[in-house]
Formats: sequence, C-alpha cells, structure tokens
Amino acid sequence: TQLLEQSPQFLSIQEGENLTVYCNSSSVFSSLQWYRQEPGEGPVLLVTVVTGGEVKKLKRLTFQFGDARKDSSLHITAAQPGDTGLYLCAGEANAGNMLTFGGGTRLMVKP
Amino acid sequence: KAGVTQTPRYLIKTRGQQVTLSCSPISGHRSVSWYQQTPGQGLQFLFEYFSETQRNKGNFPGRFSGRQFSNSRSEMNVSTLELGDSALYLCASSLRQGIGEQYFGPGTRLTVT
Repeated sequence: TQLLEQSPQFLSIQEGENLTVYCNSSSVFSSLQWYRQEPGEGPVLLVTVVTGGEVKKLKRLTFQFGDARKDSSLHITAAQPGDTGLYLCAGEANAGNMLTFGGGTRLMVKP
Repeated sequence: KAGVTQTPRYLIKTRGQQVTLSCSPISGHRSVSWYQQTPGQGLQFLFEYFSETQRNKGNFPGRFSGRQFSNSRSEMNVSTLELGDSALYLCASSLRQGIGEQYFGPGTRLTVT
C-alpha cells in the first residue's frame, strides 16, 4: 500500500508570508497531483507533475516533484486570504491505477 | 462546459438503511471514480468505472457498490448503513480510463444516525 504523508497538517499564517507544504512517500509515483479544497466543495486540481525534478509555477504557487519521484512540495509566495483551504497531494503509482491521497494540509491565511 | 454534478447534496439516513447517490460526469468524460472523505481517514478511493465496467476498487467492504450507465452517469449504493459511513462522498470524472486528472463534484454529505 502506497502512503503519502503531508506536513504540516495545519498552518495558520499572516497575509504576505511565504509557506511550504510537503508531501512524502517511500514509494515511487508515476505522477503526482495537487488539489485545493474549500469548505462545501470538492477538490480542484491545481497541477500535475510527472517528471522527476520537475518544477511548475502557477502564479504565486510553485510545485516541485522530487528527483526520485517519491516526494513533492508546494511553495506559496506572499500568501493571501484567498489561498485559505485544504491542500491535498495525490499520487498515481502506475498509469491507470488508483490515486492515493495524502492527509491534507489545512491552511489559513489571516488578513 | 458543465462540471460534475452530484445528487442529493445532503442526506440523513438511519442505521441499517440503504442509500443511493448519483453522479453526472463532465460531458465527454467516460471515467467516474468515487471517494469517501472523513476527518479521520481523509480522502479514500472507493472504485472507478469506465465504459460501464468497474476497473479499479479500493479497500472497502462489499456493502459499497456502484454502477455506470451507457451515458457515463454513475450511481453508488451503500447497504446496511453504519454510523461510520457518515462522510462526504465525492464523485470525480476523468477523460481517460484509470484515474488521471480528477475533476470533482461538490459531494454528497451523508449523515447516518
């Protein structure tokens, strides 16, 4: 069973601060996805990374896939209240297999 | 393009009853997956359907079942409800078979009393 551990579980910061969320596993994933979920809604896909060492940027969000494809990180620069939500990483072990989700990082950005 | 829709949004049932949840995927998406989300266990994969066939299955008891229709719409059924089945049930659709990038619906909040 592939497991994905996210850290930290909770994060409360002030607007304008930077933060990094980590997603780690002992297993190799063929791809890794990041989602954001807001209360009362389903998760929304932010990005998919597939190549070891890959870095993708989405405005103030930077996603990195580890060289060995076992871990990933999400860095947010100058966080804003609109970034508040539950951030989930999800790994696909083999193409065509099910997604394994991490436990999530609940982020609150205070104005 | 309309997103994934799920009905009903909220449901209250009693222990021992059964429940059926419905999901309509994004037009053109043929893969539908179901997930259970709880505060304690997080988001857990239930099963995936593609072309009316169950392709992948998570580690849930047989009380959880599903099906997919020829128009890709899917239903999930839970029989003999237990208190621990209280959760947010999420449906997600994808273009290709075997998960890929998931587009989630808003979920059905099931409360078992």
